[in-house]
Amino acid sequence: AQSVSQHNHHVILSEAASLELGCNYSYGGTVNLFWYVQYPGQHLQLLLKYFSGDPLVKGIKGFEAEFIKSKFSFNLRKPSVQWSDTAEYFCASGGSQGNLIFGKGTKLSVKP
Amino acid sequence: NAGVTQTPKFQVLKTGQSMTLQCAQDMNHEYMSWYRQDPGMGLRLIHYSVGAGITDQGEVPNGYNVSRSTTEDFPLRLLSAAPSQTSVYFCASSYVTESTEAFFGQGTRLTVV
Repeated sequence: AQSVSQHNHHVILSEAASLELGCNYSYGGTVNLFWYVQYPGQHLQLLLKYFSGDPLVKGIKGFEAEFIKSKFSFNLRKPSVQWSDTAEYFCASGGSQGNLIFGKGTKLSVKP
Repeated sequence: NAGVTQTPKFQVLKTGQSMTLQCAQDMNHEYMSWYRQDPGMGLRLIHYSVGAGITDQGEVPNGYNVSRSTTEDFPLRLLSAAPSQTSVYFCASSYVTESTEAFFGQGTRLTVV
């Protein structure tokens, strides 16, 4: 079965620190990868997505992710985090049922 | 531009009670789905639908029923609530391809006592 694993359960950073959140997926045929963000008390919002082409994908709010096929990875990065980036981040892969297969999520806490 | 609308936002049920979580979308998406979110578990698929009249089970379907009589609506029914169904429920919709993003509702926080 397809699966997505996220390496970190909880990451704590100071403002201006660089961020990298790990994500590995199991290959299920077509590669469709997503990063979603969930701010406290809110629903999930799409940060960025990758289907094909340039493996470095830029998303909203200064986030980017790099697809590395040989490593089955799709890590999320941001050069300098802000307090407002405090949220939970979910990596997801498109499933064969048309659904999304989510990782367990990584909570990011940014200290001002 | 409403997107995906879920009601209610909060609900407390007693064990054994039944209820329906409502979900509606105005984007003419064929695909709709229900997830539950539990701490440390990510989101898990309960049921999904690829169009009106077509539904199927996801990863954790037990204790839930769905139907899809229109493109816009996809209600989730809890037949006899159990404490294990305490969770946050999200409805999502998208076009029927693997390569499109899903749009999520605001969620329903359900507590079963």
